[in-house]
Amino acid sequence: EAGVAQSPRYKIIEKRQSVAFWCNPISGHATLYWYQQILGQGPKLLIQFQNNGVVDDSQLPKDRFSAERLKGVDSTLKIQPAKLEDSAVYLCASSLDGQENQPQHFGDGTRLSIL
Amino acid sequence: EDQVTQSPEALRLQEGESSSLNCSYTVSGLRGLFWYRQDPGKGPEFLFTLYSAGEEKEKERLKATLTKKESFLHITAPKPEDSATYLCAVHPRGGFQKLVFGTGTRLLVSP
Repeated sequence: EAGVAQSPRYKIIEKRQSVAFWCNPISGHATLYWYQQILGQGPKLLIQFQNNGVVDDSQLPKDRFSAERLKGVDSTLKIQPAKLEDSAVYLCASSLDGQENQPQHFGDGTRLSIL
Repeated sequence: EDQVTQSPEALRLQEGESSSLNCSYTVSGLRGLFWYRQDPGKGPEFLFTLYSAGEEKEKERLKATLTKKESFLHITAPKPEDSATYLCAVHPRGGFQKLVFGTGTRLLVSP
């Protein structure tokens, strides 16, 4: 079974620029999550999709972050404009059904550095 | 507010030296507690889910246990390949699964 795919693996931009990350979840997984992991911390949930609908975006800084999951499969996360404090690893995860207690499976993330 | 605290922050063991990692939690009803392993430059890898106090699960040299306030990850006779960061996360009672992670324990096993 193929895992969660993310790209790019690394991205370096200057502050105030924009950036986008892409995620392809495990086939058949209805629930998709985006996390932010700052160095030395655990992952923090940004947004959760069930199929192509948002079920939780309470911790997403909506003035600069946006995400979409068209057709309920792939997803993109965008930051515009980026700030220095956005430097982190952005992880995508998926699970069969977010309403059940099933494990989330993570991709290897995109490491974002803001200069 | 739901919180997860892991200790110690870092642990260095000799190969074969058994030890335990701690995960203390404060949550508004626990629907599940998850343990993940994270290698440098990789995403977290799922290890265990525990659902209720008294439950135990094992995988190779790892055993996870759960009480009403904390979980332990016991590592028996560790090997260098067990070196990683171990993350604990809780799923508070509610609708959709929303994991709250601790900051992790960095484990280094020396040969």
